[in-house]
Amino acid sequence: DAKTTQPNSMESNEEEPVHLPCNHSTISGTDYIHWYRQLPSQGPEYVIHGLTSNVNNRMASLAIAEDRKSSTLILHRATLRDAAVYYCILSNAGNMLTFGGGTRLMVKP
Amino acid sequence: GAVVSQHPSWVICKSGTSVKIECRSLDFQATTMFWYRQFPKQSLMLMATSNEGSKATYEQGVEKDKFLINHASLTLSTLTVTSAHPEDSSFYICSARGTIAGNQPQHFGDGTRLSIL
Repeated sequence: DAKTTQPNSMESNEEEPVHLPCNHSTISGTDYIHWYRQLPSQGPEYVIHGLTSNVNNRMASLAIAEDRKSSTLILHRATLRDAAVYYCILSNAGNMLTFGGGTRLMVKP
Repeated sequence: GAVVSQHPSWVICKSGTSVKIECRSLDFQATTMFWYRQFPKQSLMLMATSNEGSKATYEQGVEKDKFLINHASLTLSTLTVTSAHPEDSSFYICSARGTIAGNQPQHFGDGTRLSIL
């Protein structure tokens, strides 16, 4: 399985944008880039996913590098409720998800 | 959005007890359900994949006779931890997927915290 690399933790101030990076240099042509987040004591929550083009939804934006070897999840205005572990995961047609360590986002008021 | 309900939220029981966890897709038909386990301060580990009406596929190192999975309908999968022991204490999470078309996301339950005394 193609793997992803994320920083262990990041800090942000409330109401400021947050850019969470993810490297996936061994991504294959059929791998989708998925982002999930997990709040304490809860199951993961889907955030966004994409294949080649940048994607926007009500929660976040996903910027995908032209060579697809990296991507960035963008939270436009962080709130305290965005404090969570964010997982960047590659998924192919079989749609199995292999969770790595993720990035623990801390949001300061 | 799609909702997956997991029950119970937490359970405490004695060693040797068997525990059943239910995972239901409330507003869509889940052709595939996944079961994960998460130990404190660790990431999720996939235990098994189940497709409705067929036997589950277990990941390497997961004992199929210990963790019984039944996916009898398109909205319900169950995980039974048989003869549970303290080392089975963990956070168990299910997820469900409808169609694989367009690589749609998985929808997760809120997890079951299992504590074996």
